[in-house]
Amino acid sequence: DAGITQSPRHKVTETGTPVTLRCHQTENHRYMYWYRQDPGHGLRLIHYSYGVKDTDKGEVSDGYSVSRSKTEDFLLTLESATSSQTSVYFCAIRGGQDNEKLFFGSGTQLSVL
Amino acid sequence: RKEVEQDPGPFNVPEGATVAFNCTYSNSASQSFFWYRQDCRKEPKLLMSVYSSGNEDGRFTAQLNRASQYISLLIRDSKLSDSATYLCVVNVGNNNDMRFGAGTRLTVKP
Repeated sequence: DAGITQSPRHKVTETGTPVTLRCHQTENHRYMYWYRQDPGHGLRLIHYSYGVKDTDKGEVSDGYSVSRSKTEDFLLTLESATSSQTSVYFCAIRGGQDNEKLFFGSGTQLSVL
Repeated sequence: RKEVEQDPGPFNVPEGATVAFNCTYSNSASQSFFWYRQDCRKEPKLLMSVYSSGNEDGRFTAQLNRASQYISLLIRDSKLSDSATYLCVVNVGNNNDMRFGAGTRLTVKP
């Protein structure tokens, strides 16, 4: 158990509304990641963070922003949700003995109607 | 061309069978390779790392072929509980950019 909690677990929202997903970790990991998973695409990296207030874009960052004001929390915000952002969102930390392995939270199912 | 490609399957095999999955990657500079397992509606979980010399963990064997740029996962003596989607993961450039294959679905039947 990597001590990762995602909230909410499920959310239904309307197009054009802002949405924030939260990832909380308890083990002081430096690196945190947000992925989305869609059928046929596998997991795709949205944004990641390498420390407090240090973030960078991933493969599919358009339409998303992130913030990390403290080590334990990494927030993903959809400023104006669109139907194409309906997906399952996973947060991950990088850890393990060699600090190479990804460990995931339980995911957030987001539906944008 | 996708960075990481897998045969989506599904692979339907009887209990006790041996099954192998391949995963090709496009970045010759990739250094980190992993296999993850994902059960339906659950998060991916690390199954095993893939080392240059190949490695084994019980019934599971992972291999890397750098010349042909693919990794493989072999499952021997399949169990019903092995039914899941198997994801290969490869870094592209650095360990902050880990690319996932779309996954190979395995169903083991009695």
